Amino acid sequence: AQTVTQSQPEMSVQEAETVTLSCTYDTSENNYYLFWYKQPPSRQMILVIRQEAYKQQNATENRFSVNFQKAAKSFSLKISDSQLGDTAMYFCAFMKHGGTSGTYKYIFGTGTRLKVLA
Amino acid sequence: EAQVTQNPRYLITVTGKKLTVTCSQNMNHEYMSWYRQDPGLGLRQIYYSMNVEVTDKGDVPEGYKVSRKEKRNFPLILESPSPNQTSLYFCASRTGTSSYTQYFGPGTRLTVL
Repeated sequence: AQTVTQSQPEMSVQEAETVTLSCTYDTSENNYYLFWYKQPPSRQMILVIRQEAYKQQNATENRFSVNFQKAAKSFSLKISDSQLGDTAMYFCAFMKHGGTSGTYKYIFGTGTRLKVLA
Repeated sequence: EAQVTQNPRYLITVTGKKLTVTCSQNMNHEYMSWYRQDPGLGLRQIYYSMNVEVTDKGDVPEGYKVSRKEKRNFPLILESPSPNQTSLYFCASRTGTSSYTQYFGPGTRLTVL
């Protein structure tokens, strides 16, 4: 069974600094997708970034980038130039590619609460 | 506006009183899913649906039912709620191909007394 581990329950970072959130996963699959979602105090789940496992190039979205290490099954999120609005819970998620089986399941980590300090 | 809606947003009920949480999306998405979020456990998938009349269990389906009679709607039914089902519930949807990115509803905070 697939598992997703976020080993940092809480982190803090000074405004304008850079922070990295870690995520590791366990799977025997070769085709899958990885996601980082942000959940601010409003509770809304917001997609931050997505990575396809077959792509070697790390995904980037503005100030957000990932370090995807497929062999190590690691998928960390780097937030550059942190802003107060980045304060939120961040969830790492794994989705197995259904292929012909038509099965799609998502596994989420337990989350990392990030606080950006002024 | 493309969105996933859930109702109600907040619900307090008592043990054993049947309830339904509705979920609707206006993006013509094939795939829909229900999750529950509990402190320290993250989000766990309850049920998902690949399309109309096609549903399957997630990791924590016990005590829940779903149906998918129309593409846009995917209600979550608790026929006999218990206090351990007190949680924050999210509905999500996505298109059946390409990005596999899910779009989440605003959440439903359920308390079972």
